Amino acid sequence: EDQVTQSPEALRLQEGESSSLNCSYTVSGLRGLFWYRQDPGKGPEFLFTLYSAGEEKEKERLKATLTKKESFLHITAPKPEDSATYLCAVALVFGKGTRLSVIA
Amino acid sequence: GAVVSQHPSRVICKSGTSVKIECRSLDFQATTMFWYRQFPKQSLMLMATSNEGSKATYEQGVEKDKFLINHASLTLSTLTVTSAHPEDSSFYICSAKDWDRGYEQYFGPGTRLTVT
Repeated sequence: EDQVTQSPEALRLQEGESSSLNCSYTVSGLRGLFWYRQDPGKGPEFLFTLYSAGEEKEKERLKATLTKKESFLHITAPKPEDSATYLCAVALVFGKGTRLSVIA
Repeated sequence: GAVVSQHPSRVICKSGTSVKIECRSLDFQATTMFWYRQFPKQSLMLMATSNEGSKATYEQGVEKDKFLINHASLTLSTLTVTSAHPEDSSFYICSAKDWDRGYEQYFGPGTRLTVT
């Protein structure tokens, strides 16, 4: 059974304070690990797909990395507008997300 | 690109009535769409996979007679909540895959259903 576990559940950062979100997974046959951003009351917004261990992808202040057991979403010098819930998924299974709050 | 819309964005209905939610892929054809529900501060739970021209595949524990799914065209899937009850109140989100782009899903903005 595919499983996705995200940590921490919530993270509070000062503006400019870099950090990382974790997503550990177990899956039979990885066909991509996906990161999404979800703002309150809205549908998730696609960020990245990672297909193989060692792969990295970047978008503005976000960088996603992948190993055989987990993925990290690194946030560099975050801004208040980065505040959201970040969801990780494999196949059609989603983690519970990390609620990120960036304080000015 | 890869835009998915949902209608309505919010709906309030009385207990015992039925509600239909539409999900459309606006700029691509989606042979497969997915329906999720999300409770406050919880993650997305897959309800069913909607396949164009065939019956939907429901996840374990989801009542197929209560949550009717129709995928009549390559750009439209509908979810009908029949005989709704207060416990059906939730945030319903659809998604679609654009196989030309990859395996990722593109989500609609969601529909907030409140059953009174």
